[in-house]
Amino acid sequence: GQNIDQPTEMTATEGAIVQINCTYQTSGFNGLFWYQQHAGEAPTFLSYNVLDGLEEKGRFSSFLSRSKGYSYLLLKELQMKDSASYLCAVLYSGAGSYQLTFGKGTKLSVIP
Amino acid sequence: EPEVTQTPSHQVTQMGQEVILRCVPISNHLYFYWYRQILGQKVEFLVSFYNNEISEKSEIFDDQFSVERPDGSNFTLKIRSTKLEDSAMYFCASSRTPTYEQYFGPGTRLTVT
Repeated sequence: GQNIDQPTEMTATEGAIVQINCTYQTSGFNGLFWYQQHAGEAPTFLSYNVLDGLEEKGRFSSFLSRSKGYSYLLLKELQMKDSASYLCAVLYSGAGSYQLTFGKGTKLSVIP
Repeated sequence: EPEVTQTPSHQVTQMGQEVILRCVPISNHLYFYWYRQILGQKVEFLVSFYNNEISEKSEIFDDQFSVERPDGSNFTLKIRSTKLEDSAMYFCASSRTPTYEQYFGPGTRLTVT
């Protein structure tokens, strides 16, 4: 299967900035998504990158480098409610079909 | 705001029994998906469905699994003979196109005893 790597856990302070990295295999790449998942809940869509560069959406930004197989999610002005798992998911395509493959997620703990 | 809904929220079944998990995708979406997440593990793709056909399925989606769109709104996942290792959260998702973001339902927690 396609390997997607992201750190298992991170801790950051309320009000700070945190960057969550994701690396992936580039063959068949068709877009990268970031999802937020609170414990026991469904993933909720945060951002989408298909071209190189930075996409900004309020306190959240996501960056993509297709040639390096690398993305990061940047969370600014952290709030306690941002404590959650952040899932990097890559859309792979092949033979006219698509499959969204998730990383194991990064559990972010925001502390006061 | 439109959302994906799933029923039931929790299903307990005995090993060997059949279960049907139900989903109502967002109404103007054309692509539907099932994922599962075993407790503490990553979200895993099971199957995608478009135009009343399976478009892609993973190795997990073996002959014990089937999907159906029985009417204009529901999308179902059937597991014919459940095993203990089928215990997981099952998420339904939908999207407008296969390259657009997928919106997930709240999930059905399946417990096989």
